[in-house]
Amino acid sequence: RKEVEQDPGPFNVPEGATVAFNCTYSNSASQSFFWYRQDCRKEPKLLMSVYSSGNEDGRFTAQLNRASQYISLLIRDSKLSDSATYLCVVSRSNDYKLSFGAGTTVTVRA
Amino acid sequence: DAGVIQSPRHEVTEMGQEVTLRCKPISGHDYLFWYRQTMMRGLELLIYFNNNVPIDDSGMPEDRFSAKMPNASFSTLKIQPSEPRDSAVYFCASSSHGQANSPLHFGNGTRLTVT
Repeated sequence: RKEVEQDPGPFNVPEGATVAFNCTYSNSASQSFFWYRQDCRKEPKLLMSVYSSGNEDGRFTAQLNRASQYISLLIRDSKLSDSATYLCVVSRSNDYKLSFGAGTTVTVRA
Repeated sequence: DAGVIQSPRHEVTEMGQEVTLRCKPISGHDYLFWYRQTMMRGLELLIYFNNNVPIDDSGMPEDRFSAKMPNASFSTLKIQPSEPRDSAVYFCASSSHGQANSPLHFGNGTRLTVT
């Protein structure tokens, strides 16, 4: 079983729509959680960290559910520029190895 | 802040040749990571260094791969001999120490094609 699993999508949504997707992780000892964004043929970049209580950053909301071992990302009022692949990232606290999911592709259409 | 700098951006080589990828991390970052990304396997951690010392190289595919970090501002990933299945995008990333939520800063990557 992969350490981090994501629905690859693609999620095709119109501008202004809300899109949400999850990521599951297998290691219950995981301590740190992130969403990274990767544009086509570019490097991954940190979108946001995910905190236990959930957190927002503008139109983006991240949630963590430790009991069910998943994290989620919700994008409100989606923009064309939100089109990208969103990578779920999980790490244990005892080292700095990050496990990346394969990514969820989101395409926002005009 | 110049960010993580990788070279070359693209490398096309023939099977059996030696390939050397280079990385300059962000100044002051204590951790350096080498990742490989393919469509089939996604992003895979190959090796990471802390204060120039290799900490975990369990992701290195086989003995054909080696990585060094002779000083805090430079690292290399070498493949010798290269094979077509090594074709991928290789990313170098760095992060600062001591912070559980310290983000990774990736370089632009080296797109390697082995024919």
